[in-house]
Amino acid sequence: DGGITQSPKYLFRKEGQNVTLSCEQNLNHDAMYWYRQDPGQGLRLIYYSQIVNDFQKGDIAEGYSVSREKKESFPLTVTSAQKNPTAFYLCASSIDTGGSTNEQFFGPGTRLTVL
Amino acid sequence: GQQVMQIPQYQHVQEGEDFTTYCNSSTTLSNIQWYKQRPGGHPVFLIQLVKSGEVKKQKRLTFQFGEAKKNSSLHITATQTTDVGTYFCAGPKGNKLVFGAGTILRVKS
Repeated sequence: DGGITQSPKYLFRKEGQNVTLSCEQNLNHDAMYWYRQDPGQGLRLIYYSQIVNDFQKGDIAEGYSVSREKKESFPLTVTSAQKNPTAFYLCASSIDTGGSTNEQFFGPGTRLTVL
Repeated sequence: GQQVMQIPQYQHVQEGEDFTTYCNSSTTLSNIQWYKQRPGGHPVFLIQLVKSGEVKKQKRLTFQFGEAKKNSSLHITATQTTDVGTYFCAGPKGNKLVFGAGTILRVKS
């Protein structure tokens, strides 16, 4: 069953702790993306990767870090430097590096709450 | 920078009424995509429009791309409760997509 998986669905952390959100895809897609969703603000791009071992900052990369060591995996770390980390985090992928012309497939998301 | 504006932010309709959401870009777009996110769910791709003036239909949904390729609309005829959710448009910026803020649709039965 092909798709994108994100875990966990809900995550709680204390302020000041780093936390890593997982994203795995078995669609053989080259491009992967991380978005943050806050109420009334749509989807904002955090980081994206067009190929293994390469990634670029999106519009709101400060306080976040990523890695792309394998084609199927694109984990996101929310660091303690992120001032307002509580949000819904969505991972997505698209078939190739023409990400702006190919549809994006989204995972189910992780809702992070920092207490 | 490129912005994609979407209106209205929120609409509450009676079941059976029509619904339209509008998307406007500050720059000409090579294409525009539409996504739907059900409450508590994740965005799901609906359609992509590429040609100037293009109109595509999916059952009760009609998608249009403006002649100048700077605006687009999604029209739902005779809404049903299954139509509830947030509808996003998205336009390309380099190798990225820029999403509108979305229109939240609620349907009263």
